[in-house]
Amino acid sequence: DAGVTQSPTHLIKTRGQQVTLRCSPKSGHDTVSWYQQALGQGPQFIFQYYEEEERQRGNFPDRFSGHQFPNYSSELNVNALLLGDSALYLCASSFRAASQLDEKLFFGSGTQLSVL
Amino acid sequence: AQKITQTQPGMFVQEKEAVTLDCTYDTSDPSYGLFWYKQPSSGEMIFLIYQGSYDQQNATEGRYSLNFQKARKSANLVISASQLGDSAMYFCAMREPGYSTLTFGKGTMLLVSP
Repeated sequence: DAGVTQSPTHLIKTRGQQVTLRCSPKSGHDTVSWYQQALGQGPQFIFQYYEEEERQRGNFPDRFSGHQFPNYSSELNVNALLLGDSALYLCASSFRAASQLDEKLFFGSGTQLSVL
Repeated sequence: AQKITQTQPGMFVQEKEAVTLDCTYDTSDPSYGLFWYKQPSSGEMIFLIYQGSYDQQNATEGRYSLNFQKARKSANLVISASQLGDSAMYFCAMREPGYSTLTFGKGTMLLVSP
């Protein structure tokens, strides 16, 4: 049973560039959430995709955008990269938009993005 | 205001001893869920334990237990019989009704020594 997979594992970009990160959810899951984890901090919620639509969004600028495909996989796009975008980007999957309080999120190992 | 507060940046414990990692939370909603996750150096967040606000008993999962004190709004993680493999970052998180997302604290780094 494949867990949550993310690619690439590491990425180096320069300021102003654009980046795309990819995530495949755990088998049986239909919802993908993206988190940004800066060094020494806890993960911060970016947005959630369910039924190919953005359902909830955290406090992130619209430079951060996403997409969910019919097979439930998802992409996170960041435009006009800033130095402050350097972080570990975590993808989490769940079922039915994690609408139950006790619904666990299953995380991938993340993509480490460095912006120079 | 911080929704989840973890006041211990780092904790040290010897192998086979018990350790308590602190977590306090802030919500005005009577219904909420509390989670603890472990993050080893690989980066993956691993679910450890869950406590619902209406659960009458403290949650337990193997060597992990949650010391839930609702009136004090605290949900401390207790790890019994620490193992070297327990060395990792530990995050407390909360989910409130209407929000499918989790809000995380800043984490506590646990180091287990032989």
